[in-house]
Amino acid sequence: GENVEQHPSTLSVQEGDSAVIKCTYSDSASNYFPWYKQELGKRPQLIIDIRSNVGEKKDQRIAVTLNKTAKHFSLHITETQPEDSAVYFCAAKVDDYKLSFGAGTTVTVRA
Amino acid sequence: NAGVMQNPRHLVRRRGQEARLRCSPMKGHSHVYWYRQLPEEGLKFMVYLQKENIIDESGMPKERFSAEFPKEGPSILRIQQVVRGDSAAYFCASSPIRGPLPNTEAFFGQGTRLTVV
Repeated sequence: GENVEQHPSTLSVQEGDSAVIKCTYSDSASNYFPWYKQELGKRPQLIIDIRSNVGEKKDQRIAVTLNKTAKHFSLHITETQPEDSAVYFCAAKVDDYKLSFGAGTTVTVRA
Repeated sequence: NAGVMQNPRHLVRRRGQEARLRCSPMKGHSHVYWYRQLPEEGLKFMVYLQKENIIDESGMPKERFSAEFPKEGPSILRIQQVVRGDSAAYFCASSPIRGPLPNTEAFFGQGTRLTVV
């Protein structure tokens, strides 16, 4: 089955700096890669997603890049703010309906 | 549109009791997915159901766990004879077609946090 690995597990950045989270996947058939933000005690919420026919997608301060050949994708958050502090999960879609998640990255933005 | 509704939000059970978790999908959605999140881990797929059918239960533990999605009413995830290791957050998601919809923030419900004491 699909195996998604995510790094780093924790990330501390100064407010205003950028944060980058990287994920790799194993199943070359995966074609949809969402990123979720989860605040303590709450549900994961989709923040950005990318399909396999696109190399990069941007939404304000958030961007995702995908390298299909290398089977890795990354989340970039620029100009970080304290409200960006949360756990971020990458995922890859398998078998048309199943999401395989990374283990998560705890991001802390220092004021 | 109220989104995916799960209840209860918090559930405490003693070891050996049964836990019943409910998930009402968004209106018009006939595909339901259950995921489990152990403390400080990512979500793990458990089961995928359509109305009255289990499509994929490859992520369900072989014993004590069962799921259903009847013609009428919510989807139910049932855990019999709970053990401490069942303590986790259980998230339900729904969609009108097979698979997660892109750009859909409210894919997951708020979750049920099960604590086994």
